[in-house]
Amino acid sequence: NAGVTQTPKFQVLKTGQSMTLQCAQDMNHNSMYWYRQDPGMGLRLIYYSASEGTTDKGEVPNGYNVSRLNKREFSLRLESAAPSQTSVYFCASRESLELNYGYTFGSGTRLTVV
Amino acid sequence: AQKITQTQPGMFVQEKEAVTLDCTYDTSDPSYGLFWYKQPSSGEMIFLIYQGSYDQQNATEGRYSLNFQKARKSANLVISASQLGDSAMYFCAMSSPGGGTSYGKLTFGQGTILTVHP
Repeated sequence: NAGVTQTPKFQVLKTGQSMTLQCAQDMNHNSMYWYRQDPGMGLRLIYYSASEGTTDKGEVPNGYNVSRLNKREFSLRLESAAPSQTSVYFCASRESLELNYGYTFGSGTRLTVV
Repeated sequence: AQKITQTQPGMFVQEKEAVTLDCTYDTSDPSYGLFWYKQPSSGEMIFLIYQGSYDQQNATEGRYSLNFQKARKSANLVISASQLGDSAMYFCAMSSPGGGTSYGKLTFGQGTILTVHP
């Protein structure tokens, strides 16, 4: 059981380049989330998808777009990368919106924009 | 809006001793959940323990326990008998009821780096 799979694990981009971070879960979860992790700031929500076909902005959506391709896949796109987007990106899914259900996280993507 | 505050950027503990990592929260929701996650240097996020806002007893999972003080809005993690492998970043997080603008998201604190000395 793979859980949540993120690709790539590492990426270096030049300012202005674009790329898509891929995320797939095989647990039949409805809700999926993208976070970024920066030193001293914890994890901040970029976008989320409550169910297939829906997406909504989180706390820090500027500079990002998302696609919920199907129930399994939720991708994050940087159209024109900026150094401020250097971060570690986590995808997560949640089995249920009941309070006692936490996230299953992917292993993260370490992105550097130079 | 929900907020989680972890005021200890770093903590040190001697191996085999107990350590408490602080977490305070703020929410207007009557129902909520509190989580602790561990992030070792390898980067993955590992679930440790959960406490529901209506749970009467403090949660325990092996060497981890959650000191839940609802009136003070605190949810401190206690690690007993620390081990070298406990050295990691620890995050406190809160879940909100589904629906509305906070649809099922978890809100995270800034994290505390724990270092266990031999």
